[in-house]
Amino acid sequence: QQQVKQSPQSLIVQKGGISIINCAYENTAFDYFPWYQQFPGKGPALLIAIRPDVSEKKEGRFTISFNKSAKQFSLHIMDSQPGDSATYFCAARAGPGKLIFGQGTTLQVKP
Amino acid sequence: SQTIHQWPATLVQPVGSPLSLECTVEGTSNPNLYWYRQAAGRGLQLLFYSVGIGQISSEVPQNLSASRPQDRQFILSSKKLLLSDSGFYLCAWSVGDTGGEKLFFGSGTQLSVL
Repeated sequence: QQQVKQSPQSLIVQKGGISIINCAYENTAFDYFPWYQQFPGKGPALLIAIRPDVSEKKEGRFTISFNKSAKQFSLHIMDSQPGDSATYFCAARAGPGKLIFGQGTTLQVKP
Repeated sequence: SQTIHQWPATLVQPVGSPLSLECTVEGTSNPNLYWYRQAAGRGLQLLFYSVGIGQISSEVPQNLSASRPQDRQFILSSKKLLLSDSGFYLCAWSVGDTGGEKLFFGSGTQLSVL
């Protein structure tokens, strides 16, 4: 099935806390899982990505955890900052030129 | 460096009117080009993608069409807009035969059909 389910729809975190966004998929043929960050009125920008042969990838305060058997992956934002307030999209590549996006999570980090 | 230009930023159109959104990419050759639509609470929906001049793949049957008259130009069109065409339209590009591995998005066009 060509769907990526993302949760929660919205998230409020205190400054310094950990933000966690989850995604689940059904199609085991998906072979690349990026996360995009979007600020209001702007296009999304690639944040971090992982391939299914890796269980975790960390870049600065952002970490992707990938569970191939459960067909789930998540984004963890450590030490969340007000500047991290944005909409986050997970995605999965279904083939050349085709990314399937989740519904998005609006993150608000309170000072 | 590569840049992507998309215009206009906002557009208000009456139902039944035509549409033309344009996107151009600079600083790269033979990019893969994409049109996405973002509706509130529904994520990003792939509408069209193109791997070369005149080569367009449609992902979703709809009231829209796309054309690629030049290597770095991608146009989204409609002959008669519907209310349901309202949304945030994003153009994007990528390079390489991996296609879509790393998308670079434009700043989008907010279309309101009234």
